[in-house]
Amino acid sequence: DQQVKQNSPSLSVQEGRISILNCDYTNSMFDYFLWYKKYPAEGPTFLISISSIKDKNEDGRFTVFLNKSAKHLSLHIVPSQPGDSAVYFCAASVVGGNQFYFGTGTSLTVIP
Amino acid sequence: DTGVSQDPRHKITKRGQNVTFRCDPISEHNRLYWYRQTLGQGPEFLTYFQNEAQLEKSRLLSDRFSAERPKGSFSTLEIQRTEQGDSAMYLCASSFPGRYNEQFFGPGTRLTVL
Repeated sequence: DQQVKQNSPSLSVQEGRISILNCDYTNSMFDYFLWYKKYPAEGPTFLISISSIKDKNEDGRFTVFLNKSAKHLSLHIVPSQPGDSAVYFCAASVVGGNQFYFGTGTSLTVIP
Repeated sequence: DTGVSQDPRHKITKRGQNVTFRCDPISEHNRLYWYRQTLGQGPEFLTYFQNEAQLEKSRLLSDRFSAERPKGSFSTLEIQRTEQGDSAMYLCASSFPGRYNEQFFGPGTRLTVL
């Protein structure tokens, strides 16, 4: 069973506009959430994270929003740049847990 | 390069053969994780080590799979009697003591079983 879901396999956005990537989860025990970015032929690289005690975390052009009641988080990229084109994975972990549960990924294409 | 390294990057084998992959974590990272990623899916947890101790194994890790980290540094993942369903990207990650929510991934080993 997929505990972390990314329902949009792909997203295309014009350069300079906002990219919004969404993620839903089912396990209420998840307390830490992360976004990873993956280029072809490379492993995932950490982008940004958020603890369940917060509802927003910002790092430069990247902001993650967490809505615990809806079990939903989103990643906003503003402004989007062509170098942001990659596959983005949402991941979650439980309290005291040691593994990440990943979504299936969203392929973002930023059009120049 | 001080990141997580994996060897080989690609492996093609015939069904029934054994394969072994190696992962070298970032130095001073005491935890090491193995994940598997199949086409169209996100990485799925297989197992993890704290130092040389294997502390957790996923139900995905069948009896044909074995992982070791004998000296608490590099790790090996062996798959015996490979099956076509084992074809996947095998990812290794490591994390620093006390910062286990920050896992740094290697580039992966892509296995193709013919």
